[in-house]
Amino acid sequence: QSALTQPASVSGSPGQSITISCTGTSSDVGGYNYVSWYQQHPTKAPKVMIYDVSNRPSGVSNRFSGSKSGNTASLTISGLQAEDEADYYCSSYTSSNTLVFGGGTKLTVL
Amino acid sequence: EVQLVESGGGLVQPGRSLRLSCSASGFTFDDYAMHWVRQAPGKGLEWVSGISWNGGKIGYADSVKGRFTISRDNAKNSLYLQMNSLRDEDTALYYCAKKGSSWHFDYWGQGTPVTLSS
Repeated sequence: QSALTQPASVSGSPGQSITISCTGTSSDVGGYNYVSWYQQHPTKAPKVMIYDVSNRPSGVSNRFSGSKSGNTASLTISGLQAEDEADYYCSSYTSSNTLVFGGGTKLTVL
Repeated sequence: EVQLVESGGGLVQPGRSLRLSCSASGFTFDDYAMHWVRQAPGKGLEWVSGISWNGGKIGYADSVKGRFTISRDNAKNSLYLQMNSLRDEDTALYYCAKKGSSWHFDYWGQGTPVTLSS
C-alpha cells in the first residue's frame, strides 16, 4: 500500500492554469476509474473536488477538472483564484479492496 | 444537513487502547459505507479502515491490521474504531468519512485527535 506520488508543491498566478499529477500503478490508478481529488485548507477537513477520475460533485466550480492516462491521474485548475490555495490530495481504490492517498501537493497562488 | 461528529480521542500511552466514535446525522446511515482516515501532524492523509453498510465487508490499512477494529451500530447511527496496542506513529487527527456513490468520501467530520505519549 505505497502512497500515490504527487509533486510536493506547485504554484501559479491568478488567472493561470495549473496541473497536479498523481502517479500510481496498474493495481490502483491504472486499474480502476476510482480516482478522487480532495482540497484541504489549513485546519479544515478535506473536501472532495473530483471523483471517478473526472466527475465534479454538485457545487464544485467547473474550473476544476480531472483526467487519467495509464497509471497517472491529473487535476487541472483553470482561472486560478486566491481561494484555491490549499493542499490537494489524490486517492484511488486498489486491487486489495483498500484505498490509498497521495502524499499531497501544496498549491501556492502567487 | 449531513453531520459527522467524532469523539473519544485523547492522550494515551504507547501500548494502551482507545475507542473512537463517530455520530452521524442528516442521512440514512445504514445505506452507506463508512471509513476512518487519519492525518499525522503536518503530514498527509492516510486511509485507515472502512466498513460496508451492514458490516459484512471490512478493510484495513496494513499499518493498523491486527491492532484496530472497525464496527458500526446502525440503530445508533454510529461508527467506531477500537484501537489496541497503540504506537507512537498512530498519533494523528482521526476523521470519520461517509462514502459517496462511488469510491470517494463526500462528507467528513472535523476529526478527533489521538496523541501517543509516554
